[in-house]
Amino acid sequence: NAGVMQNPRHLVRRRGQEARLRCSPMKGHSHVYWYRQLPEEGLKFMVYLQKENIIDESGMPKERFSAEFPKEGPSILRIQQVVRGDSAAYFCASARGQETQYFGPGTRLLVL
Amino acid sequence: AQSVTQPDIHITVSEGASLELRCNYSYGATPYLFWYVQSPGQGLQLLLKYFSGDTLVQGIKGFEAEFKRSQSSFNLRKPSVHWSDAAEYFCAVGGAPTGGGNKLTFGTGTQLKVEL
Repeated sequence: NAGVMQNPRHLVRRRGQEARLRCSPMKGHSHVYWYRQLPEEGLKFMVYLQKENIIDESGMPKERFSAEFPKEGPSILRIQQVVRGDSAAYFCASARGQETQYFGPGTRLLVL
Repeated sequence: AQSVTQPDIHITVSEGASLELRCNYSYGATPYLFWYVQSPGQGLQLLLKYFSGDTLVQGIKGFEAEFKRSQSSFNLRKPSVHWSDAAEYFCAVGGAPTGGGNKLTFGTGTQLKVEL
């Protein structure tokens, strides 16, 4: 059983470009969480989604960030007009129910 | 609001020595507690979790943790550390699952260095 997949693993963008981060949950998991890890910090919750629904986006910045989890395909975290402060590691976690979350390897975003 | 404190940013131990990583949490209801380990450039791997029942929980790689409600602590222990245990360790707290999900709050991590 494959684990949580994230791609790309590394992403470099220039200021003002868009970043798209993808997360494929483990088989049988319909709950997806996104977290951001800034340098030298712990992970901070961003958003929680179930298929086709955003359940909790209380950790998402109000502007430029959006997330989706369509009926088919991976969950996408989209960052528009990236700025240097968006440089971080973005982790996706999936869960079958709402208890144990399993994390992917992360996408390391670098904004030049 | 829930929070997690890991008071030790860095810890160095000799291989074969015992290890204890501290974690204190703040949560208004019954907490769900987790320890994850992160190797450089990698994702987080679940070491162990506590939901209810026996307050001493066993995890993978020989780790265990003890939930102490009176001290709001969930310290991670290992009797004999191996060089391959060098990594960053994160304690996290969440709540009982509800329809609104179970977002985790993480501590800032403890970096473990193992001396040979």
